[in-house]
Amino acid sequence: KNEVEQSPQNLTAQEGEFITINCSYSVGISALHWLQQHPGGGIVSLFMLSSGKKKHGRLIATINIQEKHSSLHITASHPRDSAVYICAVVNSGGSNYKLTFGKGTLLTVNP
Amino acid sequence: NAGVTQTPKFRILKIGQSMTLQCAQDMNHNYMYWYRQDPGMGLKLIYYSVGAGITDKGEVPNGYNVSRSTTEDFPLRLELAAPSQTSVYFCASSYGIRSVTDTQYFGPGTRLTVL
Repeated sequence: KNEVEQSPQNLTAQEGEFITINCSYSVGISALHWLQQHPGGGIVSLFMLSSGKKKHGRLIATINIQEKHSSLHITASHPRDSAVYICAVVNSGGSNYKLTFGKGTLLTVNP
Repeated sequence: NAGVTQTPKFRILKIGQSMTLQCAQDMNHNYMYWYRQDPGMGLKLIYYSVGAGITDKGEVPNGYNVSRSTTEDFPLRLELAAPSQTSVYFCASSYGIRSVTDTQYFGPGTRLTVL
């Protein structure tokens, strides 16, 4: 079983819809990162969370440490949000340099 | 700032050939990383470096070598290319060691095919 599981694997939405992508992990963590991989391949960091909730524009990330679960929400989705969204965790028992990545969720937002 | 740059963008190798993937960053970051991304799989750490002259293995180091002679550059060497090394390679950097608080900045990737 992977340490980091994302769901769904693929998600198709209509423009304007509210999107939720989930990430569950099986180890104790120091922090959790959400990243976005554009269709061209480039990867950018969206959020780093160790507790609670963070918001940036239309993106909201939440984490529940007790339940070992995080969600990434996109409000008023737009075709430019189409990308792969990747969850990565920092294992609290491991080296701080090392991120363990989920396989990603492919989001397609249709106009 | 250019951020993290990688060359080449694409490369096709024959089995047994060697090549070096170049990575450079202009953000004065101490920490640099090489990842590979296989289809349908999460990114895996190949090697990392905590500063010039210091490197260490990640999860999947076999078949690769690295060096870090300067803060800016972190090349990845494939000595005897094998089909299993067909992948997309990403270089990344961060200011400090603590991934807890340090954002990693990724390069655009190198798509390598070994035939």
